[in-house]
Amino acid sequence: AQKITQTQPGMFVQEKEAVTLDCTYDTSDPSYGLFWYKQPSSGEMIFLIYQGSYDQQNATEGRYSLNFQKARKSANLVISASQLGDSAMYFCAMREGSGNQFYFGTGTSLTVIP
Amino acid sequence: EAGVTQFPSHSVIEKGQTVTLRCDPISGHDNLYWYRRVMGKEIKFLLHFVKESKQDESGMPNNRFLAERTGGTYSTLKVQPAELEDSGVYFCASSQYVQGNEQFFGPGTRLTVL
Repeated sequence: AQKITQTQPGMFVQEKEAVTLDCTYDTSDPSYGLFWYKQPSSGEMIFLIYQGSYDQQNATEGRYSLNFQKARKSANLVISASQLGDSAMYFCAMREGSGNQFYFGTGTSLTVIP
Repeated sequence: EAGVTQFPSHSVIEKGQTVTLRCDPISGHDNLYWYRRVMGKEIKFLLHFVKESKQDESGMPNNRFLAERTGGTYSTLKVQPAELEDSGVYFCASSQYVQGNEQFFGPGTRLTVL
């Protein structure tokens, strides 16, 4: 079974608007970490934000916030005030417990329209 | 501080040939990971080194793939002989701790097997 599901292959957002990228996960491990990475056209994978399963508050990093709904097993990324430079591929990932590997989704391609 | 670097950035080879990909992790990072993304699919874990030792190679697809990390610094991933289905982007990542909050990814090597 897929551990990370990203159901939006492509998304468009108007510049300065907010956008939500969906991510659901599947694990029976009570301890896990959730990550979002951005991959611009240049290819590098840029770490954006992290949420631990025991964290009480939703993670925030500048214009990025993670809408963590544990009961629904969702970890959506919210980008506020979109900028043209936000156009990229976005990957949701999870690490389980003491595991060493990341499980990734298939990614969402975000295009910011001027 | 230099990030994770990978060489080459692109490689085009014919079926049956051999290709060697190289990854230089961030200095001081004992943990090194290889991942692969086949077109349109999720990024999948291949293996994990701790220093020069293979900690987990459960994701290696078959014995045509050989990863090494002599001396615990850079790592190579050799595909011999390459098949069409090996085409994809190969990512390397490194981290100081396995339980750290992120893995730092390189820009990837795009491998095309014709």
